[in-house]
Amino acid sequence: NAGVTQTPKFQVLKTGQSMTLQCAQDMNHEYMSWYRQDPGMGLRLIHYSVGAGITDQGEVPNGYNVSRSTTEDFPLRLLSAAPSQTSVYFCASSSPGDRVYGYTFGSGTRLTVV
Amino acid sequence: EDKVVQSPLSLVVHEGDTVTLNCSYEVTNFRSLLWYKQEKKAPTFLFMLTSSGIEKKSGRLSSILDKKELSSILNITATQTGDSAIYLCAAKSSGDKLTFGTGTRLAVRP
Repeated sequence: NAGVTQTPKFQVLKTGQSMTLQCAQDMNHEYMSWYRQDPGMGLRLIHYSVGAGITDQGEVPNGYNVSRSTTEDFPLRLLSAAPSQTSVYFCASSSPGDRVYGYTFGSGTRLTVV
Repeated sequence: EDKVVQSPLSLVVHEGDTVTLNCSYEVTNFRSLLWYKQEKKAPTFLFMLTSSGIEKKSGRLSSILDKKELSSILNITATQTGDSAIYLCAAKSSGDKLTFGTGTRLAVRP
């Protein structure tokens, strides 16, 4: 089925480790973004991309890197994991011309940093 | 800084009740207002509102945007236990950027 695929679904990291959360979409969407969701905080934007080769920071970018070498993929890198990065991470994509469906979200990655 | 505020933060009702969830926004280059329902996993799309005063309906759910007041409401009539979820409001701005509110947690008791 077409959509946004996130891997892994669950991950436990030790403080200081690095890792990459993967996000891929097969809808040819120009816009992709990463959010983190913490209890009582809603979804907060980490980084976003309006197209291949273009990325920008969102509300909470510190400690994370992104790149967009292809339209399909938008990986999120944690450089040196900290307990404050324990959260649920969602990747989303959209097409700016889409007046009907808004964003499509991946199923999320639950990350725990110990 | 873009901002979306939802109220109430949480709500407990009984089956059959009608609820109204509120969302206000302050967003530069506003494009549209979106509502999502989130149960255990990813948010699922409910409505996108672009024009002021035009109600969108889907079954027992409806929503309307007031651009003059920079706000939107989501109504759920004849609530069911399956409506229990977090309802998220988000404002879309230029570049397709979404700013989310903290959500309203709705619990529907049998």
